[in-house]
Amino acid sequence: QKEVEQDPGPLSVPEGAIVSLNCTYSNSAFQYFMWYRQYSRKGPELLMYTYSSGNKEDGRFTAQVDKSSKYISLFIRDSQPSDSATYLCAMRNFNKFYFGSGTKLNVKP
Amino acid sequence: GAVVSQHPSWVICKSGTSVKIECRSLDFQATTMFWYRQFPKQSLMLMATSNEGSKATYEQGVEKDKFLINHASLTLSTLTVTSAHPEDSSFYICSGTSGGGFRGTDTQYFGPGTRLTVL
Repeated sequence: QKEVEQDPGPLSVPEGAIVSLNCTYSNSAFQYFMWYRQYSRKGPELLMYTYSSGNKEDGRFTAQVDKSSKYISLFIRDSQPSDSATYLCAMRNFNKFYFGSGTKLNVKP
Repeated sequence: GAVVSQHPSWVICKSGTSVKIECRSLDFQATTMFWYRQFPKQSLMLMATSNEGSKATYEQGVEKDKFLINHASLTLSTLTVTSAHPEDSSFYICSGTSGGGFRGTDTQYFGPGTRLTVL
């Protein structure tokens, strides 16, 4: 079993839709949770960072962590074609990071 | 803030030559840097972790004599692909974290990547 599981997609939605991206994990010791966005042929860009269970909002993005269920989510409201990218979840335990395989999102105009 | 640069962004070389890729943290001190490679439509594959002034720790299956990593300062790490072959063609991405504070220890900040093509 992988430490972090993420559906690779692709996920295709119409412009303006609410997008839900999810990851599950197996290690209850994970302390920090991150979401990165990666455009084709570019390095990943940090979108959201969370530490505790609950929600964190930044503009159109909301990160949600449920430690009891070992489940994290990223919601994108009013999705735009420019949101089309691969989204990677990541988790950290001390100095070791674990990445999901990435979900490819396509927002159609 | 937390910007990481890589140079070159794209390199083509002949088989058998060596290629050096630089990774710099521009506005923070990166006590730890990571090197990844990524094949098309695949996720990141961690190659090695390096701490400033120490030898890099390589992941299983990564040849340390082929992929030489030097982390000589808090703002610079280099990856040298020695005697490159076509199968080494890939997208190489570095990232850095610093030793203190919210921005540093908790997250990785990635460079834009270097595309290596070996003919």
